[in-house]
Amino acid sequence: EPEVTQTPSHQVTQMGQEVILRCVPISNHLYFYWYRQILGQKVEFLVSFYNNEISEKSEIFDDQFSVERPDGSNFTLKIRSTKLEDSAMYFCAARTQGFDTEAFFGQGTRLTVV
Amino acid sequence: AQRVTQPEKLLSVFKGAPVELKCNYSYSGSPELFWYVQYSRQRLQLLLRHISRESIKGFTADLNKGETSFHLKKPFAQEEDSAMYYCALPPQGGSEKLVFGKGMKLTVNP
Repeated sequence: EPEVTQTPSHQVTQMGQEVILRCVPISNHLYFYWYRQILGQKVEFLVSFYNNEISEKSEIFDDQFSVERPDGSNFTLKIRSTKLEDSAMYFCAARTQGFDTEAFFGQGTRLTVV
Repeated sequence: AQRVTQPEKLLSVFKGAPVELKCNYSYSGSPELFWYVQYSRQRLQLLLRHISRESIKGFTADLNKGETSFHLKKPFAQEEDSAMYYCALPPQGGSEKLVFGKGMKLTVNP
């Protein structure tokens, strides 16, 4: 069964460094998302991406964050200058069509900022 | 504003016992709620959705609009049901985001 794949599974970075989290969605999926989950807290929406542009973003998704899908395959989340509070699990999700179709999640990337 | 509340963080039961994982919501309109499950070291996956009215792995969930609840139930829990369970609201009003509860950890002991 096709899966959404995320790399790396765990990344440790120093505060102020840039990180790029990668996601390979299922091939026929059109809508892409990033969510994050700070330890002990709820899964929070960051951004949605459709037709090569951001369609919605949350207040968490500030200028330090960016997303792109440069080669039509990988969907990346970049954090330009990481802060301690960026430490979290980051989940990529994708769906085929509209809002009522199931969102398929990746296994997550645990980001630790030290 | 959309909101999902899972009032309990942890639930521990013995195999064969009934379980009920509580979920309350705040939503304008007619909601279609989801339950997502995350088994140890695995990804979030959709367990069931209100609109399908299915029973998945023995779990059911009934939408109670009067109580604004969507509790997940299983009459006889199994050890393999041990996981994190998240109640979620679907996108609404042009927004694409899923709104999750904080999740609840279910442990089924042998």
